[in-house]
Amino acid sequence: DAGVTQSPTHLIKTRGQQVTLRCSPKSGHDTVSWYQQALGQGPQFIFQYYEEEERQRGNFPDRFSGHQFPNYSSELNVNALLLGDSALYLCASSFGTAKETQYFGPGTRLLVL
Amino acid sequence: SQQGEEDPQALSIQEGENATMNCSYKTSINNLQWYRQNSGRGLVHLILIRSNEREKHSGRLRVTLDTSKKSSSLLITASRAADTASYFCATTGGGSYIPTFGRGTSLIVHP
Repeated sequence: DAGVTQSPTHLIKTRGQQVTLRCSPKSGHDTVSWYQQALGQGPQFIFQYYEEEERQRGNFPDRFSGHQFPNYSSELNVNALLLGDSALYLCASSFGTAKETQYFGPGTRLLVL
Repeated sequence: SQQGEEDPQALSIQEGENATMNCSYKTSINNLQWYRQNSGRGLVHLILIRSNEREKHSGRLRVTLDTSKKSSSLLITASRAADTASYFCATTGGGSYIPTFGRGTSLIVHP
């Protein structure tokens, strides 16, 4: 049973660039949520996708956008990168949106220089 | 913003000892969860306790919830070096199923 997978594991970008992170949910799951975790902090909710639509969004600017594909996998895009976007980006999946317990992937570590 | 606040921020103990971490939150909740994170990697779900429950056990883990004090505690008994990790509490409520995480407690268990 495949768990949540994310790619790439690490990424280095410069300010102003754009980045795309990818996530495949756990087998049987159809809902994907994205979180940003800064060093020494807890994960902060970015947004959630279900049925290829953004269902809920946290307090993040429009530079953060996403997409969900028919196979339930998802992408997180961040435009005009800032130094403060450096963080661990976590993807979590569940079956349906009304599920409090989420299964997390290993994360993508993004460093913006 | 973060709903839960864990205490202490860091905890260092010897193998075999018990580790207790606390979580306080501000608004009413439907449930509270505890997650573990090893070395800045993905989070692993440990246990969920609902607002109408007071205590829950899972192996060496014991979680209590006091809704009148808006607090929860996680007890790890007979700790092992492999328990070294960061532990986060996460709450859901207000009609949302999205968990809101605290800043976490960093636990180091010395062999």
